Amino acid sequence: GNSVTQMEGPVTLSEEAFLTINCTYTATGYPSLFWYVQYPGEGLQLLLKATKADDKGSNKGFEATYRKETTSFHLEKGSVQVSDSAVYFCALRGNAGNNRKLIWGLGTSLAVNP
Amino acid sequence: NAGVTQTPKFQVLKTGQSMTLQCAQDMNHNSMYWYRQDPGMGLRLIYYSASEGTTDKGEVPNGYNVSRLNKREFSLRLESAAPSQTSVYFCASSESAGVLSYTFGSGTRLTVV
Repeated sequence: GNSVTQMEGPVTLSEEAFLTINCTYTATGYPSLFWYVQYPGEGLQLLLKATKADDKGSNKGFEATYRKETTSFHLEKGSVQVSDSAVYFCALRGNAGNNRKLIWGLGTSLAVNP
Repeated sequence: NAGVTQTPKFQVLKTGQSMTLQCAQDMNHNSMYWYRQDPGMGLRLIYYSASEGTTDKGEVPNGYNVSRLNKREFSLRLESAAPSQTSVYFCASSESAGVLSYTFGSGTRLTVV
């Protein structure tokens, strides 16, 4: 079945550092890929998505490119801020039958220090 | 603000007690979901409702029941709480089961002692 693997945290960075959170997936066909963010004490929010190979999702300075050849959807940001401290979840949704449910990674906690 | 509202935000139960977690959305979404979030386990789907009048089991339905009361409301019931049900519970909704993105509530932190 479909699955998502993302790098374990916690990740601790200084403000203005470059961020990469790795996410790889296993799926049949052409899934859609997502990054969600969960700020402390809140529910998850959609950060960005990509629905086909080579698509780049972007939002709030974050980017991720759907790489079918490496089955990856790594999240990047060029210069993190303290306000980016949160837990980031990679997710996948297949495109047929039971595979259409969202499959979640375990989450990566990011702490950004001033 | 439009969105998904969950009540209560916090709850402590004794083993064997029952309770219902409430969820309501005002975005006219057709599909609603209940997840639990546990450290090291990520998000796991308990039950979902693809549309008003239907409910289906997710990955971890044992010990829970749900009711899709109307299009807006989707409740989760624990009939006899167990310590293993200590978790943070999230309700989410989407325009339909086929739509890509979900809107989440802010969660209910449940402790069963």
